[in-house]
Amino acid sequence: QSVLTQPPSVSGAPGQRVTISCTGSSSNIGAGYDVHWYQQLPGTAPKLLIYSSFHRPSGVPDRLSGSKSGTSASLAITGLQAEDEADYYCQSFDSSLSGSVFGGGTKLTVL
Amino acid sequence: QVQLQESGPGLVKPSETLSLTCSVSDYSLSSGYCWGWIRQPPGKGLEWIGSVYHSGSTYYNPSLKSRVTISMDTSKNQLSLKLTSVTAADTAVYFCARHVVVVAAFDYWGQGILVPVSS
Repeated sequence: QSVLTQPPSVSGAPGQRVTISCTGSSSNIGAGYDVHWYQQLPGTAPKLLIYSSFHRPSGVPDRLSGSKSGTSASLAITGLQAEDEADYYCQSFDSSLSGSVFGGGTKLTVL
Repeated sequence: QVQLQESGPGLVKPSETLSLTCSVSDYSLSSGYCWGWIRQPPGKGLEWIGSVYHSGSTYYNPSLKSRVTISMDTSKNQLSLKLTSVTAADTAVYFCARHVVVVAAFDYWGQGILVPVSS
């Protein structure tokens, strides 16, 4: 049972827009801590996509965006491409645990 | 470009201690930042194990705290992880990674090392 809750799977056709939600609580996202998003391809290390809820590292396309409201955050991917098929994880800090927490992960399938 | 590389035994027996090293290149650990360990059981999600600041201050996942020690050797520019009394449930890919502070994102990751726990 992860501290941050993500849907196990989402899917979309090429060119479409998908969103992945990340729901936390008053001790993490709701407390104002930033949310970070990662993409993980099979057999590789996670890659940082979004940091501090909204910001993209250099090299991440602007068709990926992050948002945050209350105790939840979302990752949106527009213009879906086959290469987007991967597992996605959210991460934040939890004050009651005094440490980082991850969501359970969401598998994105491009139809 | 900061590079991280995990190393350690290919197999650990139940009840023994898992010991891993993370060698860091192109950045001096003594210069700053926070360095962490994350693990991923086969087919499952990511779990934060703990992090250590360049000052030596540590933060651990409460569920693992009684069995974990994370430290750094600045003379070798290496990070280490020790996990005691392992069981099959500790079988996972173990990653080392960097974050600016403990609340921040992990921006650089090692490739990961699979550590099976089996007799």
